[in-house]
Amino acid sequence: GENVEQHPSTLSVQEGDSAVIKCTYSDSASNYFPWYKQELGKGPQLIIDIRSNVGEKKDQRIAVTLNKTAKHFSLHITETQPEDSAVYFCAASGSGSARQLTFGSGTQLTVLP
Amino acid sequence: NAGVTQTPKFQVLKTGQSMTLQCAQDMNHNSMYWYRQDPGMGLRLIYYSASEGTTDKGEVPNGYNVSRLNKREFSLRLESAAPSQTSVYFCASTALAENTEAFFGQGTRLTVV
Repeated sequence: GENVEQHPSTLSVQEGDSAVIKCTYSDSASNYFPWYKQELGKGPQLIIDIRSNVGEKKDQRIAVTLNKTAKHFSLHITETQPEDSAVYFCAASGSGSARQLTFGSGTQLTVLP
Repeated sequence: NAGVTQTPKFQVLKTGQSMTLQCAQDMNHNSMYWYRQDPGMGLRLIYYSASEGTTDKGEVPNGYNVSRLNKREFSLRLESAAPSQTSVYFCASTALAENTEAFFGQGTRLTVV
């Protein structure tokens, strides 16, 4: 099955700096790569996703890049703000009959004021 | 617009007790999922239902059963709770089985003593 590794597990940045979170996946047939943000006491919420026919996608301060050859994708957050502090999860679709999502282990991002 | 609603939010069980976690969505989604979240391990899929009338095992199904009661509701049952099932449980739904945004409930924090 699919295996997703996520790094780092914790990340602290100064407000206004950029943050980068990286994930690798194992199944070359995976074709959908979402990123979720989880605030304390809440369920994860989709912030951006990318499909395998696109190399990069941007939404305001958030961008995701995908390298299918190397089987890795990254989340970039620019001009970080305290409200960006949360746990971020990457995920990849598998190649099973229903292409279920496999999640990374999460990154606790702290933006220091 | 409630989205995905889980009950209860908190539960403490004694080893060997049984209970059912309830989940309902009001978005007319076809697919529903149960995940567990443990520290440092991300979200792991327990069971899923790609469409009404079908259920399938995920990555960690042992000790659990599910019922897709109708299109809206998907319940998770622990027949004989064990301390290893102490976790936060999330229900999610997607419009389609593949490659679409997952909407999560607020979670159920379960402690088995």
